[in-house]
Amino acid sequence: EAEVAQSPRYKITEKSQAVAFWCDPISGHATLYWYRQILGQGPELLVQFQDESVVDDSQLPKDRFSAERLKGVDSTLKIQPAELGDSAMYLCASSSYLGQGYEQYFGPGTRLTVT
Amino acid sequence: AQRVTQPEKLLSVFKGAPVELKCNYSYSGSPELFWYVQYSRQRLQLLLRHISRESIKGFTADLNKGETSFHLKKPFAQEEDSAMYYCALKGTGTYKYIFGTGTRLKVLA
Repeated sequence: EAEVAQSPRYKITEKSQAVAFWCDPISGHATLYWYRQILGQGPELLVQFQDESVVDDSQLPKDRFSAERLKGVDSTLKIQPAELGDSAMYLCASSSYLGQGYEQYFGPGTRLTVT
Repeated sequence: AQRVTQPEKLLSVFKGAPVELKCNYSYSGSPELFWYVQYSRQRLQLLLRHISRESIKGFTADLNKGETSFHLKKPFAQEEDSAMYYCALKGTGTYKYIFGTGTRLKVLA
């Protein structure tokens, strides 16, 4: 069964360093999401792509975060410079229409620790 | 404001007891409501959605528009139901999902 892939699974970085996360959605899924999940909270949408276009990035801290999905397939989320408060799980998801509506499929996440 | 509220962070029940995980939402319009589940060491996955009106793993959830609630219920809890449960909404005509803070369900033997 096809799954959303993410790498790395874990990342430890020092404050002020740059960090990048990669996501490969399920083949054929046009919609791709990046979420941030802080410990004890639910996933919070950072950015949403439809093919290669950004549909919603209202919650993305654009002074330090950037996201791209150049060919409308895989995607990269970058943080530069990383801050202590960026420590969280970063989840990628892709969605497809399934009969009765859209269903999101999540990747395993990248756990970021900023020291 | 669009919001999903899950008032319980932790819910502990004994095996065989009924379970109800609460979810209330605030949304101007007609949202689609979902329950997602995350078992230990597994990725987040869809459990059920209100438009399906189906029972998955014995769980059901009814959308109550008057009370703006979408509570998840199961008549007899099993130990394998222990997991983190998230309620989420999606606005009709959009692809954006809003998640609640989650409820950890522990089913005790």
